[in-house]
Amino acid sequence: GESVGLHLPTLSVQEGDNSIINCAYSNSASDYFIWYKQESGKGPQFIIDIRSNMDKRQGQRVTVLLNKTVKHLSLQIAATQPGDSAVYFCAEMGGSYIPTFGRGTSLIVHP
Amino acid sequence: DVKVTQSSRYLVKRTGEKVFLECVQDMDHENMFWYRQDPGLGLRLIYFSYDVKMKEKGDIPEGYSVSREKKERFSLILESASTNQTSMYLCASSPSKAVEQYFGPGTRLTVT
Repeated sequence: GESVGLHLPTLSVQEGDNSIINCAYSNSASDYFIWYKQESGKGPQFIIDIRSNMDKRQGQRVTVLLNKTVKHLSLQIAATQPGDSAVYFCAEMGGSYIPTFGRGTSLIVHP
Repeated sequence: DVKVTQSSRYLVKRTGEKVFLECVQDMDHENMFWYRQDPGLGLRLIYFSYDVKMKEKGDIPEGYSVSREKKERFSLILESASTNQTSMYLCASSPSKAVEQYFGPGTRLTVT
């Protein structure tokens, strides 16, 4: 099947810096993309999503960028805080019930 | 807020035991899912259900079964637990197709 991958398994940043987490996807039919955050000992939590008719979407301190030409998705976190330390997953969907998840990137924020 | 609850946070069972993992959601969602999460392998779909009494196999259904007798409850059953089923099990729900899923806190199952 199609795969969703992440470029870096671990990202370390200083508190206050901006963080960028990347994700490559391979299914050109995917039209919906989601970022999840999973803190230690908890289930994944929805952060932000984007549909393929958009290339950018902003939330509170987070921005998702979608480049369909190169099948790339990124999550930008502004002014990263220690509470942002977690594993971040991207997921893609092609109009079905079932997302395909990436393996996750661990974000470590140093105070 | 959507709430997805799972019956146990931690569970220890012996090889060969029958194991029930329960999941309940309180937002009248149509769809429910069971995943297992293992280091280096990410989230893998075991079974899902898009309606009461309906079930569909995911990517790794072997050794598992499910039950959805009521809309809010989706149970995962390990008929005869084996050590390779030691894992974190995550339940999720969603209101429709192509929307985000809401996850429960997970059950860490250890089979000895």
